[in-house]
Amino acid sequence: GESVGLHLPTLSVQEGDNSIINCAYSNSASDYFIWYKQESGKGPQFIIDIRSNMDKRQGQRVTVLLNKTVKHLSLQIAATQPGDSAVYFCAEKTGDKIIFGKGTRLHILP
Amino acid sequence: DAGITQSPRYKITETGRQVTLMCHQTWSHSYMFWYRQDLGHGLRLIYYSAAADITDKGEVPDGYVVSRSKTENFPLTLESATRSQTSVYFCASSEDGPGPQHFGDGTRLSIL
Repeated sequence: GESVGLHLPTLSVQEGDNSIINCAYSNSASDYFIWYKQESGKGPQFIIDIRSNMDKRQGQRVTVLLNKTVKHLSLQIAATQPGDSAVYFCAEKTGDKIIFGKGTRLHILP
Repeated sequence: DAGITQSPRYKITETGRQVTLMCHQTWSHSYMFWYRQDLGHGLRLIYYSAAADITDKGEVPDGYVVSRSKTENFPLTLESATRSQTSVYFCASSEDGPGPQHFGDGTRLSIL
């Protein structure tokens, strides 16, 4: 599998519990944010996005919250399943540039 | 199946050699991107293309060359490979540049 995640922060969650993954972004002018999921040996996969004119957006089992005051983004995964085990990272868009965060590894406990 | 495919999945080569990584997408997306992913770094943009025959440098373009003669293909060439270019390389595409990107499964490149 990929070695890129060896030094990432890890969040361990019991199967069936909710997971909250956090991301601090750097630029107050960023106007669009995306969450990606990356499983071992695979490319990043789009999960959900949110524009800066919104505070919350929901998808299937996932919710993204945006707090522009403190430049914080979070991804909530409801009823975490073994298949949710992956590295999750956020991306922010400023102008025509997209900057990717380094990610958090989500580990599911049986 | 529709999607984005990268080849080869794994490549080992020697310093000074030229190597080309291939990327093909079947969605007819306008935008295509090349990233490298290394320990301690997020994805870093090497080059991108907004349309056929249009390419632009990203954050780390030195040592790389791209071309986009057809919408569906976006090859990345390392003209004279160096050890610092050992990495996992991802190609991506999107309909809209700033929008969600669809990634391939990567090419793990080792340069000895």
